[in-house]
Amino acid sequence: EPEVTQTPSHQVTQMGQEVILRCVPISNHLYFYWYRQILGQKVEFLVSFYNNEISEKSEIFDDQFSVERPDGSNFTLKIRSTKLEDSAMYFCASRGLAGATDTQYFGPGTRLTVL
Amino acid sequence: QKEVEQNSGPLSVPEGAIASLNCTYSDRGSQSFFWYRQYSGKSPELIMFIYSNGDKEDGRFTAQLNKASQYVSLLIRDSQPSDSATYLCAVRMDSSYKLIFGSGTRLLVRP
Repeated sequence: EPEVTQTPSHQVTQMGQEVILRCVPISNHLYFYWYRQILGQKVEFLVSFYNNEISEKSEIFDDQFSVERPDGSNFTLKIRSTKLEDSAMYFCASRGLAGATDTQYFGPGTRLTVL
Repeated sequence: QKEVEQNSGPLSVPEGAIASLNCTYSDRGSQSFFWYRQYSGKSPELIMFIYSNGDKEDGRFTAQLNKASQYVSLLIRDSQPSDSATYLCAVRMDSSYKLIFGSGTRLLVRP
């Protein structure tokens, strides 16, 4: 069964450093998402991406964050200058065509630890 | 502020019993409703989705939706210890495809 993959599984970085989290969505999916979950808290929406542009973003997704689909398979989340409060699990999700089910399928996540 | 509310639990049931998990949401324009299961340290795994009022059954799972009461529930029949996890209710609202998650209900199934 097709699945979303994410790398790395765990990323440790120093405050102020840039990190790039990588995702490979399900191959025929067109809509891509990033969510995060701070330990013990809710899963929170960050950004949605379709047709090579951001379609929606949350208040969390400020100028420190960016997303990119650099090729036909990868979808990345960049945090330019990490803060301690960016420590969280980051989940990528993807969804198929509109009109079909709008179910989002989640990857296994990247645990980001900012020291 | 659009909210999705769940009782945090834990909900403890004996093996073989029915577990009933509940969720309320604030936005009447909500379109789609999802139940995800999340094991500790893992990602959300889709259990079921429901779009229309009424019941939807899939194996041991039944989702129930009542849009008038803004209420969605998940019943797990013949609960197994492997069902022990946190169950997340997620809602998609009209004009947006983002999911808004509840804080989850922790389910413990006692052998």
